[in-house]
This record gives sequence, C-alpha cells and structure tokens, in this order.
Amino acid sequence: ETGVTQTPRHLVMGMTNKKSLKCEQHLGHNAMYWYKQSAKKPLELMFVYSLEERVENNSVPSRFSPECPNSSHLFLHLHTLQPEDSALYLCASSQVLRQNSPLHFGNGTRLTVT
Amino acid sequence: KNQVEQSPQSLIILEGKNCTLQCNYTVSPFSNLRWYKQDTGRGPVSLTIMTFSENTKSNRRYTATLDADTKQSSLHITASQLSDSASYICVVSADDYKLSFGAGTTVTVRA
Repeated sequence: ETGVTQTPRHLVMGMTNKKSLKCEQHLGHNAMYWYKQSAKKPLELMFVYSLEERVENNSVPSRFSPECPNSSHLFLHLHTLQPEDSALYLCASSQVLRQNSPLHFGNGTRLTVT
Repeated sequence: KNQVEQSPQSLIILEGKNCTLQCNYTVSPFSNLRWYKQDTGRGPVSLTIMTFSENTKSNRRYTATLDADTKQSSLHITASQLSDSASYICVVSADDYKLSFGAGTTVTVRA
C-alpha cells in the first residue's frame, strides 16, 4: 500500500473514446501531480495542484483535462487521444508544494491508445 | 536548460555483486538530489535524499554520494539481491517544486 492509489491499473482505449484516470491519496497531503512516463524517457510533469488549485499546466494538449475536486482526489480526463499518448501515467502527492517535500507515487495507469 | 543524465542505461549483474550507477546534472540553482527505485509495474519509491552539504548517505545496502562541485552523484548497491532488479531514477530539485528527472538505469540481478 503506497498511500496513493490509482485506478484503473490498465486501460486500452480507442482514439475516439472518453475515459478518466483516478487518483486518491490517503496521506493528508496538500499537493498532487500528474506525470507521464514513456519508455526510456524521463518523467514528464503534466499538471500540479496545490490546495485544489492548478498551479502548473506544462504545455499539455487539451485532450488531457485534469480535475481536482478536493485535496485527496485527482482525475485525468482523456478524450480523442493519439497513439503516441500511450504511456504509464503516474499520480503523485507531496505534503506541500516545496522542493524539499518528497513525492509519493501511485503505481500508475498503463494506458494504450489504439 | 536543467538536465539530468544517467549512466549506464542498463546493466546486468550477478547476485551478490556490487554495482555503481552514475548521475550527472546541470540543474541550477541546486536544492537537493534524490534517488528513486522503480520496480516493474510500480511507481517510484524514494531511496535517499541529499542536500548540498551532504557527501554520502546510506540506506541499507544503498549508498549515495554527491559532489556538488562537479555536479555528479552515484548510487552504489552492495551485495546485490534479486529484489534489487529495478529502474533507478536520479531526480534533482532546483529552488522550486519543479523536478528534473533522469531517464533511469535499469538494473537486472541474475542468480
């Protein structure tokens, strides 16, 4: 149990589908993040929320839409994705939005776009 | 541009042997450096964190070193076990919440 739970673990979707990824943290943290991890590449920061407010949108295409209804939950809504969007999507949380606050990652959602 | 380079990209070692992973970075200003371990199918888990003034830090069989002058770090695994098979990621933090990630070194330990 990592304290950060992501569902589903695996997702296969067509380019015209709409789906959502869910992340829940049980650590009482104030900051939550979405990262994209592609094979052999560094993690890419997508979105950052602090106290439910979005503080970072790292030039992510609009086909990815985040939602943070409260400090414990984070969603990533997906629509009209491309095959190159296939990757492992990792959610993370930290106690506060500061460089010394360590990240706690979930186990990710493995997304395949067909 | 802040960058983190890790080497080697992958390595294979026999159980019980030692190995050393390298991390070179150009992140500035520097706040801290972390090593994460990522098992297959899992999220990364923090192994160590090192700040500017720290040269060496150990966590069980993992020993991390930091040379802030040359902007290099290493992670040494002693007496490797099969459970050490994973990807090891070097992450450098500047003076804000944004992190610079390396692409990772994949370690395979064979019996």
